Amino acid sequence: GNSVTQMEGPVTLSEEAFLTINCTYTATGYPSLFWYVQYPGEGLQLLLKATKADDKGSNKGFEATYRKETTSFHLEKGSVQVSDSAVYFCALRGGKLSFGAGTTVTVRA
Amino acid sequence: GAVVSQHPSWVICKSGTSVKIECRSLDFQATTMFWYRQFPKQSLMLMATSNEGSKATYEQGVEKDKFLINHASLTLSTLTVTSAHPEDSSFYICSARAASGRRETQYFGPGTRLLVL
Repeated sequence: GNSVTQMEGPVTLSEEAFLTINCTYTATGYPSLFWYVQYPGEGLQLLLKATKADDKGSNKGFEATYRKETTSFHLEKGSVQVSDSAVYFCALRGGKLSFGAGTTVTVRA
Repeated sequence: GAVVSQHPSWVICKSGTSVKIECRSLDFQATTMFWYRQFPKQSLMLMATSNEGSKATYEQGVEKDKFLINHASLTLSTLTVTSAHPEDSSFYICSARAASGRRETQYFGPGTRLLVL
């Protein structure tokens, strides 16, 4: 079946540091891939997505590229801010959404 | 963006009692709602999918008689945990898909934390 494995947290960074959260997947066919973000006290929000190989999703300075050859969809941001502190979930859709376990990111001023 | 609310945000109950969790789409109509369960440091696990006016479809291993789902209107779905036991303690998250939205757009509620004593 479909599954998503993402980097365990928590991750603690200083402002303006580079952030990478690794995500790999197992799926049949060609799923769409997503990153969701959950800020404290709020619901999950779609951060970015990619629907086919080599697509790059981007939003709010975050980027992730759909790599079919490595079955990966790593999330990156070049310079994080305190406001990026949240839990990040990698997910794929092959029919229904399958989520990774989430990675808690804390950015310190 | 679209907003989904859940009530209550957290609840503590005694073993053997039933607990109802509400999920509302505040500014859009949701033909389909999803209920997830999340254990600490684990993925969101889909429990069931409900379509307005019809019976919910439960995932394998989820007891439909224990987790009653009602999707009576286009803006409200409820999950009732019947005869709750400590092992039902978890974080329950609902999600709604807009009636007129693209298939892949799901909006999530903030979750309800349930603790059964």
